[in-house]
Amino acid sequence: EAGVAQSPRYKIIEKRQSVAFWCNPISGHATLYWYQQILGQGPKLLIQFQNNGVVDDSQLPKDRFSAERLKGVDSTLKIQPAKLEDSAVYLCASSLGRGETQYFGPGTRLLVL
Amino acid sequence: QQQVKQSPQSLIVQKGGIPIINCAYENTAFDYFPWYQQFPGKGPALLIAIRPDVSEKKEGRFTISFNKSAKQFSLHIMDSQPGDSATYFCAASTNGGGSEKLVFGKGTKLTVNP
Repeated sequence: EAGVAQSPRYKIIEKRQSVAFWCNPISGHATLYWYQQILGQGPKLLIQFQNNGVVDDSQLPKDRFSAERLKGVDSTLKIQPAKLEDSAVYLCASSLGRGETQYFGPGTRLLVL
Repeated sequence: QQQVKQSPQSLIVQKGGIPIINCAYENTAFDYFPWYQQFPGKGPALLIAIRPDVSEKKEGRFTISFNKSAKQFSLHIMDSQPGDSATYFCAASTNGGGSEKLVFGKGTKLTVNP
């Protein structure tokens, strides 16, 4: 069974630029999560989708971050404009359903200069 | 406010040793406590998890000890191997025993020397 796929794996941008990350969850997984992992810290949930609906986006900085999961499968996370403090690894995870084990992708490492 | 406090930040043991990683929490509504293992360049992977109705859970060389009254839980790795060298995260959630809304500790970098 293929795992959670993410791209790109690395991205370097300058502050005030925009960037987008893509996630393809495990086939059949209805729940999708985006986490931000700053160096030296644990992952922090940004947004959770159930199919194509948002379950929880309470920790998403909505003035600059946006995410969508239009067809209930793939998802994109966008940052516009980026700030220096957005430098982090962005992890996507998926689960069969709400409350089930979360499986993480390898992450996208973002560096904002 | 950090809801799950993890210690130590780093740990070095010899092969065969028993590293112990500790976590403490404040929110008594937490009802699911997983441990994740993360290798460099990889995402976290679920290692073992416990719910507060049991005090201990073993899976292979990994054991979680849970102390509900002290609001603490710990991970023990028996007969540690160099391949166990990774960063370990404890986490907790409040969603009816499932893994939603996970709150992670800051992680412990474990090094097992041969």
